[in-house]
Amino acid sequence: DGGITQSPKYLFRKEGQNVTLSCEQNLNHDAMYWYRQDPGQGLRLIYYSQIVNDFQKGDIAEGYSVSREKKESFPLTVTSAQKNPTAFYLCASSIARAPNEKLFFGSGTQLSVL
Amino acid sequence: KNQVEQSPQSLIILEGKNCTLQCNYTVSPFSNLRWYKQDTGRGPVSLTIMTFSENTKSNGRYTATLDADTKQSSLHITASQLSDSASYICVVSAFSGGYNKLIFGAGTRLAVHP
Repeated sequence: DGGITQSPKYLFRKEGQNVTLSCEQNLNHDAMYWYRQDPGQGLRLIYYSQIVNDFQKGDIAEGYSVSREKKESFPLTVTSAQKNPTAFYLCASSIARAPNEKLFFGSGTQLSVL
Repeated sequence: KNQVEQSPQSLIILEGKNCTLQCNYTVSPFSNLRWYKQDTGRGPVSLTIMTFSENTKSNGRYTATLDADTKQSSLHITASQLSDSASYICVVSAFSGGYNKLIFGAGTRLAVHP
């Protein structure tokens, strides 16, 4: 998985609960991303960050929050406002958000609702 | 609207046989196209990138083609192996005004049977 570690592999959320997905990379990449993958659909961008202490909303940011306090870490919090959180979440990184950027993905976290 | 459509949705072939996966896109302005391989429960891994001026590119038993006029790409797998069983995702990059946007196809799920 190219030096990107996601944890946990499986996560269960109770109604009204916030949960946090971890993403750590040791590739010295500036750009980091969170994607959501649902069956039969292409990956959808939740949030991205191009530099420490800065991040931008993607296409489906509602109900999610992120932080980028360190270059290596980009945790994603799924809040209780996200009404349909069940999905496979993928974290990715790249050298920079550029035309030919190659994304390196983690192994993903499967989030399910109890 | 930027879109990437892949066909077929799923495919079953016998070990040793060849197969071709298709990707049609309506993305503007086109920057490049990547094929990723995603094993079940894992993150995608880049196989190859095609830029506007490239027609064909090989990576071992994988050969990608690009027809920028018809906005079509294909991924041909030769002499398939059991380890080729995975989802194959086509990703098109649109780069404009310093902003890079990736549009993901839903993928083709390939099963290679002995």
